[in-house]
Amino acid sequence: QVQLVQSGAEVKKPGASVKVSCRTSGYMFSKYYIHWVRQAPGQGPEWMGMINPGGGGTDYPQNFHGRVTITRDTSTSTVYMELSSLRSDDTAVYYCARELPQTCFFDFWGQGSLVTVSS
Amino acid sequence: ETVLTQSPGTLSLSPGERATLSCRASQSVSSRFLAWYQQKPGQAPRLLIYGTSNRATGIPDRFSGSGSGTDFTLTITRLEPEDFAVYYCQQYGGSLRMFTFGQGTKLEIK
Repeated sequence: QVQLVQSGAEVKKPGASVKVSCRTSGYMFSKYYIHWVRQAPGQGPEWMGMINPGGGGTDYPQNFHGRVTITRDTSTSTVYMELSSLRSDDTAVYYCARELPQTCFFDFWGQGSLVTVSS
Repeated sequence: ETVLTQSPGTLSLSPGERATLSCRASQSVSSRFLAWYQQKPGQAPRLLIYGTSNRATGIPDRFSGSGSGTDFTLTITRLEPEDFAVYYCQQYGGSLRMFTFGQGTKLEIK
C-alpha cells in the first residue's frame, strides 16, 4: 500500500535550518510528484514547493524567497525538504504529499512533522 | 496569487442534516484544478473531491462537489458523526501558477 513516512519532530533556534525527510513506498517513486505543504497552528495549509522525483526538477513559490530546497534520493525513494533562516513564524506541521503529474491535487499525505522554532 | 475564501468559518449542524460549504476564488479557477480535503485533529488532510466534482477513492456518495469559475460548493447530505471535521478547498493556477488553500470551514456538532 502507498505510504509516505516522515521524520520526527524538531526544535530549532531562529536563524538555523531544518531538514525533513519523506520516505515513500508502495508505488513507483519516479511516477508521482512530491510536494511539501505546511500548516501553522489554527491556519490553513500553505504550499511550499514540489519535486519531480524522476528528473529532479523543482518548483517553488516566490513567497519563501529561496529559503526552501527540495531534493530526492532515488536509491531510497526519499524526498527531503530543507528550510533555512528559520523564524518563529515557521513553527508549523510540515507535510509531504503525492501528486499524479498534471492532476494538481494531493491523493496521499505523510503523517506530518512538527517543527518548532524557539529561542 | 488566487485567494480562496471559505464560508462559513464554522457550521453547527446535527447528524442526519445536510451541510453546504462554500469556496470563493479571487479569480477564475479551472474546474479541473479545484479539490476539497477533510482534516481531523492531529491528522493529515484527506482528499475528498478532485476536479470540482469527482469523489476520491473510498469517499462515500453523501459527499458531492459542484461549481465553476469563482464559486464552488461541497455538499454533505445526511451527516454522519465521523463527518465533523475541518474542510479545506484547494486550487492550482493563477498568474503565479501555484497551489493555494482556503482557510477552512469547521463543521461541528450542534
